[in-house]
Amino acid sequence: GESVGLHLPTLSVQEGDNSIINCAYSNSASDYFIWYKQESGKGPQFIIDIRSNMDKRQGQRVTVLLNKTVKHLSLQIAATQPGDSAVYFCAEKRSGNNRLAFGKGNQVVVIP
Amino acid sequence: DTEVTQTPKHLVMGMTNKKSLKCEQHMGHRAMYWYKQKAKKPPELMFVYSYEKLSINESVPSRFSPECPNSSLLNLHLHALQPEDSALYLCASSQMMSDGLEQYFGPGTRLTVT
Repeated sequence: GESVGLHLPTLSVQEGDNSIINCAYSNSASDYFIWYKQESGKGPQFIIDIRSNMDKRQGQRVTVLLNKTVKHLSLQIAATQPGDSAVYFCAEKRSGNNRLAFGKGNQVVVIP
Repeated sequence: DTEVTQTPKHLVMGMTNKKSLKCEQHMGHRAMYWYKQKAKKPPELMFVYSYEKLSINESVPSRFSPECPNSSLLNLHLHALQPEDSALYLCASSQMMSDGLEQYFGPGTRLTVT
């Protein structure tokens, strides 16, 4: 069942290691996906996006993977740094629908 | 300039007060958004303006009244709020209200209703 607690799924990672954050989406009509990073006290910040006609996209230290077969999105952060500590949200936009639907969020804690 | 600014940063108001939240962007974006975010939760869409006209209202109570005076400004007028309306209110903008266009978020206004 859906969690109604106030605790986000948390990933603790050692500084310098790689991080992988996962997101499942439910609507096969979604054709655009974004990862946002939200630091404490700030608004969400765009990290990387991917369209449904792609399965991988790379940015600076980040890679997004899209598996449409199982409706799964992941964000990989290479050489995680203390500044990467934040809550990460995936968001999807459905074809023909102008709304972004946000996932529940994952907390990343980087251990120095 | 890729910045969305919001004022005030923090706001405390009573249930009988009237206050306004302000948002500004100078990126030439023609779509602007209001979101509400509770602690540990994802942002929830409230309103979308496209070319200064209200395009989407996600069944938001009338005690929240949005206004878009021009293409750079977006306001959210608050009246007779309830304590459960306490949240972080985020403004965002994008080039257009179309598929697949990145939304830029402001830092938010932390609202407390007493």
